[in-house]
Amino acid sequence: SQQGEEDPQALSIQEGENATMNCSYKTSINNLQWYRQNSGRGLVHLILIRSNEREKHSGRLRVTLDTSKKSSSLLITASRAADTASYFCATEGRGGSYIPTFGRGTSLIVHP
Amino acid sequence: KAGVTQTPRYLIKTRGQQVTLSCSPISGHRSVSWYQQTPGQGLQFLFEYFSETQRNKGNFPGRFSGRQFSNSRSEMNVSTLELGDSALYLCASSLGVGQFFGPGTRLTVL
Repeated sequence: SQQGEEDPQALSIQEGENATMNCSYKTSINNLQWYRQNSGRGLVHLILIRSNEREKHSGRLRVTLDTSKKSSSLLITASRAADTASYFCATEGRGGSYIPTFGRGTSLIVHP
Repeated sequence: KAGVTQTPRYLIKTRGQQVTLSCSPISGHRSVSWYQQTPGQGLQFLFEYFSETQRNKGNFPGRFSGRQFSNSRSEMNVSTLELGDSALYLCASSLGVGQFFGPGTRLTVL
């Protein structure tokens, strides 16, 4: 079963706008990661946020984590056409397993 | 450092055949995981190898197997292929936290 679930499933915006994607999960985690996947290619690791962190930035990316609500959000500011991709959240649970559990992803289309 | 590499990139097989996919992790990474990605099921974890031992296993039938060599390179084998095995197979290596993915092998079963 999928641990992380992204919302929305699809998002279509214009270049320059901000894109926000959300991720909800069910069980306690050690960390949560966001990945990007361009069509039919491998996943690229974007950012990792640990369970004791609330917010993290990386360039135009901003990730928040609310462990009380078991949710995370990924904000891409000033989006570009090159940001068009699918975005996945993945959670690593507690208990020693390093295997992340992926959601089904948000498909983002940025129109030039 | 070179990234994770997977070979072949594309493969076409027919039902009943078997296939072997290969993955070379980032140098120094001892954990290698395999995932199957399909439009219907999303990304599903197959198994993880660490120091030549299977450390974690997903919920796939025994037709799916793997192994890891002493240099951390890993292979995945699928026997008696079915149409539903058509998918993108992704390999990822890790030092412990966070995974680095290869470009994947696109398997088509006819």
